[in-house]
Amino acid sequence: RKEVEQDPGPFNVPEGATVAFNCTYSNSASQSFFWYRQDCRKEPKLLMSVYSSGNEDGRFTAQLNRASQYISLLIRDSKLSDSATYLCVVNPITGNQFYFGTGTSLTVIP
Amino acid sequence: DAEITQSPRHKITETGRQVTLACHQTWNHNNMFWYRQDLGHGLRLIHYSYGVQDTNKGEVSDGYSVSRSNTEDLPLTLESAASSQTSVYFCASSAPGGQDEQFFGPGTRLTVL
Repeated sequence: RKEVEQDPGPFNVPEGATVAFNCTYSNSASQSFFWYRQDCRKEPKLLMSVYSSGNEDGRFTAQLNRASQYISLLIRDSKLSDSATYLCVVNPITGNQFYFGTGTSLTVIP
Repeated sequence: DAEITQSPRHKITETGRQVTLACHQTWNHNNMFWYRQDLGHGLRLIHYSYGVQDTNKGEVSDGYSVSRSNTEDLPLTLESAASSQTSVYFCASSAPGGQDEQFFGPGTRLTVL
């Protein structure tokens, strides 16, 4: 079983729409969680960390559900510039390794 | 500004050749990582290092080696390149603690013919 699983999409949404991505992880002892954004042919960049109580950064909201072992990312009022691949990342309790999901592709359509 | 760089950005080589990909960071991070990214697999960890003289195998380490002689550099060597190693390679670094953001280099696109 993969450490991190994501729905690859693609998600095609109109500008202004709200879209949500989910990600599940297998290691119940995992300590830290992140969402990274990757533009085509570019390196991944941190979008936001995910905290136990949930957190918001502008139009982006991240949630963690430890009981069900999933994290989510909600994007409100989608912009064309949000078009990218969103990577779910989990850091298990052991070491400094990150485990990456395969990514969810989002295209925001004018 | 601190940064992480990779070279070359693109490389074409032949099966059986030894290839070394360079990674250099000026963040003064102890932790450095090499990943490969392929369609359908996402980012997979090849090797990682927590400091000078420390190296560890990741999920897909066969056919690859690394060495860490200073804080700034973690070169990745393909001992005998194979077509299955055609991929995009990313180097990353992070501060100690394991909870912190990983900063990625721009990637190296390697083609093995």
